Order: sequence, then structure tokens, then C-alpha cells
Amino acid sequence: DTAVSQTPKYLVTQMGNDKSIKCEQNLGHDTMYWYKQDSKKFLKIMFSYNNKELIINETVPNRFSPKSPDKAHLNLHINSLELGDSAVYFCASSRSASGNEKLFFGSGTQLSVL
Amino acid sequence: SQELEQSPQSLIVQEGKNLTINCTSSKTLYGLYWYKQKYGEGLIFLMMLQKGGEEKSHEKITAKLDEKKQQSSLHITASQPSHAGIYLCGADASGTYKYIFGTGTRLKVLA
Repeated sequence: DTAVSQTPKYLVTQMGNDKSIKCEQNLGHDTMYWYKQDSKKFLKIMFSYNNKELIINETVPNRFSPKSPDKAHLNLHINSLELGDSAVYFCASSRSASGNEKLFFGSGTQLSVL
Repeated sequence: SQELEQSPQSLIVQEGKNLTINCTSSKTLYGLYWYKQKYGEGLIFLMMLQKGGEEKSHEKITAKLDEKKQQSSLHITASQPSHAGIYLCGADASGTYKYIFGTGTRLKVLA
């Protein structure tokens, strides 16, 4: 069983569209994250949720809206997609938000906005 | 804000050679993690260092955290093509619960 799974793996869409990426973890972890990896492979945190509550919200455009229906799921919805949104988005989870926990990552969603 | 700088940015070595990747923090580290990313995949946890002067090894990979807890190195002995990928250091940014990552080092090992 995959510990952290995200879908879809690839997403190709037109500018202006709205799309969602789903993430699920079966590890029983309390904390989940969304990261964005740009073309230079720099990994930047976007959001973090702990027990369904938002604890980190970096300077991300409000077109990006995370939703956590329960602590095993953290979905990312993106409105009015722009060319600059093209990147690989990674979901991750950790046992807690203590900062001394290793992260478990999904395999990434490659988003291409045309 | 805390930043993690890695060097070198990229590295190409011949199979069998040793190599070292460095990670330098702008502030004292509360914990330092090393991850490996294979091309087109997610990150996989390698090692965690928490104490100044700590050193850990797993197979042919050794990671160290300096006494001041601001610099870490990852050393690979007798590299193999399977070691190829992107190595990233990660840390909790100044105890903020914000898990940040370094700039990454791309490693290619030539057979």
C-alpha cells in the first residue's frame, strides 16, 4: 500500500481553468503539507495542516485553496490557472507538527498550464 | 527567515568515487534531515541529525552535523549509479514548524 498517494500524476490544462489535486495518507499522521517544486527543483512549502486545521499558509496566491475533510486527506484546489503555476506539486505527511519528524512524500503531480 | 544553501548545485562523478554534499543554514538548526529524490519521483528520507557533532551512516552514506549545528555534510563512499538523483537537506525553520528545504544537489554517477 502506498503511504502517501496523490492524484493525478500528470495534469495538463489550459490557462484560466480550475483544477484539483487530491492527497491521501494511510499512515495515521496528524500533519499534512503541500509543497511546490519549480523547474530548478527548489522545493517550497505552501500549506500545512495539523488535524484538519491550517497551521502554515505561506505567501501563496488566494487562487490556491487547500481543503482537509479529515486528517488523512489534504486536497489542493487551484482557480484560474496561470502559466506560472506550472510545476510539480508534492503532498507530504508527518506524525506531528513538532518539527522533529521526518516527512513522507507522495510521488508528485506534474502540472502543466498551456 | 532561515535559509538552507547546498553545494555543489550539481555533481558528476565516476562510479566508485567518493563525494561530499554540503548544507549550510543561516541560523542554528533544531534538526537536519537528508532526503533523496529520484528523477520524476517523490522524496525519500535518508537520515536525521539532531545533536551537534552527530554522525550517522546507512550503507555507503554518512551524514554529519557540525558542533555549532549550522552545517551538515553528506558523504557517499564508492558511489554507484543507484546513488544518482537529487539530494535535499531539510529542517524545521527556527522552530516555526515550517519545514524548509535546501536548494538541492543533482548527482549523476557515470558507470
